[in-house]
Amino acid sequence: GDSVTQTEGLVTLTKGLPVMLNCTYQTTYSPFLFWYVQHLNEAPKLLLKSSTDNKRTEHQGFYATLHKSSSSFHLQKSSVQLSDSALYFCALSSSSGSWQLIFGSGTQLTVMP
Amino acid sequence: EAAVTQSPRSKVAVTGGKVTLSCHQTNNHDYMYWYRQDTGHGLRLIHYSYVADSTEKGDIPDGYKASRPSQENFSLILELASLSQTAVYFCASSGGGAYAEQFFGPGTRLTVL
Repeated sequence: GDSVTQTEGLVTLTKGLPVMLNCTYQTTYSPFLFWYVQHLNEAPKLLLKSSTDNKRTEHQGFYATLHKSSSSFHLQKSSVQLSDSALYFCALSSSSGSWQLIFGSGTQLTVMP
Repeated sequence: EAAVTQSPRSKVAVTGGKVTLSCHQTNNHDYMYWYRQDTGHGLRLIHYSYVADSTEKGDIPDGYKASRPSQENFSLILELASLSQTAVYFCASSGGGAYAEQFFGPGTRLTVL
């Protein structure tokens, strides 16, 4: 079945440094990938999405490229800010008719001064 | 701006009691979802609905029922609450389709004692 793997549960960085959060997926259908961000005590919100192979998509300084050859959709930012501290989820749109999102376990990003 | 609201925002329930969580959306979306969030598991789908008066089981439906009396409203019902159902519950809506954004409500923190 469909699945999403995020290998880092916790990432701690100093402000101004680059970050990459890993996401790999498994599906037998055409992949539709999403990154959602959840700040403390808030609802998850869409950060960016993609279904196009090898095309970089960007939003709010974050970017990701869907690579179907490696089944990956890593999230990157060149210089993290304190306000980027949040829980980041990678998600895959289900191939079933529910259009549900299959979420990874999430990566908690903490940015230190 | 798409809007999904949930009530209550937090609740303490006793084991064996009945709990009803409510969700209301003003997005005119056909699809509504109930997810459960536990630390280390991301969000997991409990039930969903794509039309009023009909609900479907998600990945973890055991111990939960759902009700969709209208397009705008979607409830999650715990007939006999158990300790293992302590979690944060999120409702979401979307227009359907593999690439559609899901809009999440603010969540309900449920504690079962």
